[in-house]
Amino acid sequence: GEDVEQSLFLSVREGDSSVINCTYTDSSSTYLYWYKQEPGAGLQLLTYIFSNMDMKQDQRLTVLLNKKDKHLSLRIADTQTGDSAIYFCADGVSSGSARQLTFGSGTQLTVLP
Amino acid sequence: ETGVTQSPTHLIKTRGQQVTLRCSSQSGHNTVSWYQQALGQGPQFIFQYYREEENGRGNFPPRFSGLQFPNYSSELNVNALELDDSALYLCASSLFEGSAAYEQYFGPGTRLTVT
Repeated sequence: GEDVEQSLFLSVREGDSSVINCTYTDSSSTYLYWYKQEPGAGLQLLTYIFSNMDMKQDQRLTVLLNKKDKHLSLRIADTQTGDSAIYFCADGVSSGSARQLTFGSGTQLTVLP
Repeated sequence: ETGVTQSPTHLIKTRGQQVTLRCSSQSGHNTVSWYQQALGQGPQFIFQYYREEENGRGNFPPRFSGLQFPNYSSELNVNALELDDSALYLCASSLFEGSAAYEQYFGPGTRLTVT
């Protein structure tokens, strides 16, 4: 079945850039997503990219997609302590009329002062 | 604009019991999806509802069932609870059609503990 993989942990210094990587296996992906989850909270949609795009920029966030290698990355510029959270990559596939997200296990980002 | 809300926030049940979780969609949304998030893992898709019918289902047994109401709110019902059902249950709402149809917005979740 579909699989999405992410590294478990990333630690950066405040002000540096963070890069979180993700690989997926489903070649029928329509959209790929990045969500943020803070402790005890639900998931916040950060950004998403259509599968025929290479790059999307949204303020401090840059998403890069290499469809050939099925590799997705999220770059956060000028990382702040408030960016500390778990970041989930998700693969969006249409199955019949349903749109289903398959999530990775999440990357815990720790921002050090 | 009202976001996705879920109730209750926390719930403790005993193995074998039944539970009902509730979700109100974001204003203007007509599609609801439910996900299960076990501790330390990413959410897993349970099912999706549109026009009060289930239109997609993940790898979950039939004891997981749902409803969608005319106002687009939804319920998730789980029968014969097992210890492994302990998880955060997340509801996500979206539009079925249009340019924003691929945006799923999540509620804060219901933490279910089965003892």
